[in-house]
Amino acid sequence: EDKVVQSPLSLVVHEGDTVTLNCSYEVTNFRSLLWYKQEKKAPTFLFMLTSSGIEKKSGRLSSILDKKELFSILNITATQTGDSAIYLCAVGLNYGGATNKLIFGTGTLLAVQP
Amino acid sequence: DTEVTQTPKHLVMGMTNKKSLKCEQHMGHRAMYWYKQKAKKPPELMFVYSYEKLSINESVPSRFSPECPNSSLLNLHLHALQPEDSALYLCASSQEGATLSEKLFFGSGTQLSVL
Repeated sequence: EDKVVQSPLSLVVHEGDTVTLNCSYEVTNFRSLLWYKQEKKAPTFLFMLTSSGIEKKSGRLSSILDKKELFSILNITATQTGDSAIYLCAVGLNYGGATNKLIFGTGTLLAVQP
Repeated sequence: DTEVTQTPKHLVMGMTNKKSLKCEQHMGHRAMYWYKQKAKKPPELMFVYSYEKLSINESVPSRFSPECPNSSLLNLHLHALQPEDSALYLCASSQEGATLSEKLFFGSGTQLSVL
């Protein structure tokens, strides 16, 4: 059974702290790993990773994938209260042909206190 | 702002009602998805449409009936739901067949309560 596991489940930090969120997976037909941020309702796209060892960066957020050890991390530096959200990791599976599906992890609830 | 629009935002229905959720996108995406998300849980895939054809049905009960009238619209028809079907229903779209096709754009969802 395909599985995506995130840790920690929840995290409380203070503004300015650096956080690292973890995502590990056991799936067949791996295609990609994606990170989403869910604040209220709609998950919003952060990163998509397909190659090992290549860091993707966007402002204070960065992410990297290790396809040998089957995990990814999402780093947030100098956290702000606006970073408070649920961070979802998802693995894209090749379902056959051009069709794909995403399997989501359990999510990490991040709370940034002033 | 999301470019995937879902209506209604909130819906309360009885177990004998029939209702429909609607989803619309104008990004030219040819893959559209329905996900169900219970409180404090990750989204779970229900259906995938690819080029207006149903390509994945994750063994969803028949009281949920999807419909894709054209490439921009996706509906989810609801009938005889159970209270445990109460959840946030998220619609998403992606470019089918392109390199970034796993990059899903989500709507804001319909919060459904079944009484």
